[in-house]
Amino acid sequence: DTEVTQTPKHLVMGMTNKKSLKCEQHMGHRAMYWYKQKAKKPPELMFVYSYEKLSINESVPSRFSPECPNSSLLNLHLHALQPEDSALYLCASSPAGRLYEQYFGPGTRLTVT
Amino acid sequence: GENVEQHPSTLSVQEGDSAVIKCTYSDSASNYFPWYKQELGKGPQLIIDIRSNVGEKKDQRIAVTLNKTAKHFSLHITETQPEDSAVYFCAASKGYGGATNKLIFGTGTLLAVQP
Repeated sequence: DTEVTQTPKHLVMGMTNKKSLKCEQHMGHRAMYWYKQKAKKPPELMFVYSYEKLSINESVPSRFSPECPNSSLLNLHLHALQPEDSALYLCASSPAGRLYEQYFGPGTRLTVT
Repeated sequence: GENVEQHPSTLSVQEGDSAVIKCTYSDSASNYFPWYKQELGKGPQLIIDIRSNVGEKKDQRIAVTLNKTAKHFSLHITETQPEDSAVYFCAASKGYGGATNKLIFGTGTLLAVQP
């Protein structure tokens, strides 16, 4: 298994909803990331987990809450989002010993109504 | 803060021609430079990377060059094919050696290969 998977592919949610995005990798990678990407822009880093500990939080609003239950799984919990949070949310992972390499999943297209 | 400039923003070539995309970084401590290809509706795919102790790297039709003095690095695609059409992002990092996992991305180049 050589890929990062993300579910769901698409998500539409209202501003009062609570939802979660899920990311999995079974490559034994030891760092995992959440990025947000707006149309025609590069990915923007949100959070980094290294060896299951949160190592970077890029001053992300608290309506986004990351969770890393184990080394293969990364969640992003969403609550009270705004329409401007609509974007492609990308997960990535890095192999142990080569934490500078990042491999991305296909993303979840989120629309906030 | 650290910045990566990428040019051109759009590039149209005829099938079989070469394409060159250029990036300039600001932080001289950067030591790892990946290139990503992002097709419509997909996540970025790592296609080639180079570390600061190497000047050039090739993988079939793709090559990357690095000029540390000028803080420039470039992606070269030869014999372009329609399936090379995508957005390409360069990035820079101080991550080689473990300083950080953070990638600083360029603004992207939309490459269109005309059949």
